[in-house]
Amino acid sequence: GALVYQYPRRTICKSGTSMRMECQAVGFQATSVAWYRQSPQKTFELIALSTVNSAIKYEQNFTQEKFPISHPNLSFSSMTVLNAYLEDRGLYLCGARETGGGSDYTFGSGTRLLVI
Amino acid sequence: GEQVEQLPSILRVQEGSSASINCSYEDSASNYFPWYKQEPGENPKLIIDIRSNMERKQIQELIVLLDKKAKRFSLHITDTQPGDSAMYFCAASWNYAQGLTFGLGTRVSVFP
Repeated sequence: GALVYQYPRRTICKSGTSMRMECQAVGFQATSVAWYRQSPQKTFELIALSTVNSAIKYEQNFTQEKFPISHPNLSFSSMTVLNAYLEDRGLYLCGARETGGGSDYTFGSGTRLLVI
Repeated sequence: GEQVEQLPSILRVQEGSSASINCSYEDSASNYFPWYKQEPGENPKLIIDIRSNMERKQIQELIVLLDKKAKRFSLHITDTQPGDSAMYFCAASWNYAQGLTFGLGTRVSVFP
């Protein structure tokens, strides 16, 4: 079946530093990868949508300068939170899907970021 | 872009009764509607979904209904159990170029 491995599962970083999270798709081709953030007590916000061989589309309030994303092939994507501060804490999820496989995304296990 | 409204935000139900969560969307082109369950401290898990070519889908005690004309969809948990206590999120999508738009979530608590 389709699986998405996301790591690290949990991480702590000091305020002002950066951290990188990665997603690996297994069993399907991750044509599209969506990165979401769930801030404490909130719903999931789409940060950006990455499609292989296309430009990465960032949602309002999120920028490439703050959340650079790499999607070099059909099985891997990474996102970095640059210069993390308290408001960046939360659960980050990657979801991947394959074109032609319906609209359902397979989600990773999430990376819970704590900023101290 | 798509907007999804989810109500209620909090739902308390007695064990054995039914719980219903309602969502509405704005983009008539949306064609995929998944529901996620999130336990405290965990990532969301897909529990059931419905596509626009269906009006009703059931998996065990979970029933989802879709009214495309009204642009509404709903989740019904029949015979609720303590293990059903969690956050539930609805979402909508119309194609992969859009991603999923989530509702704000419903906190379901099942009491004895």
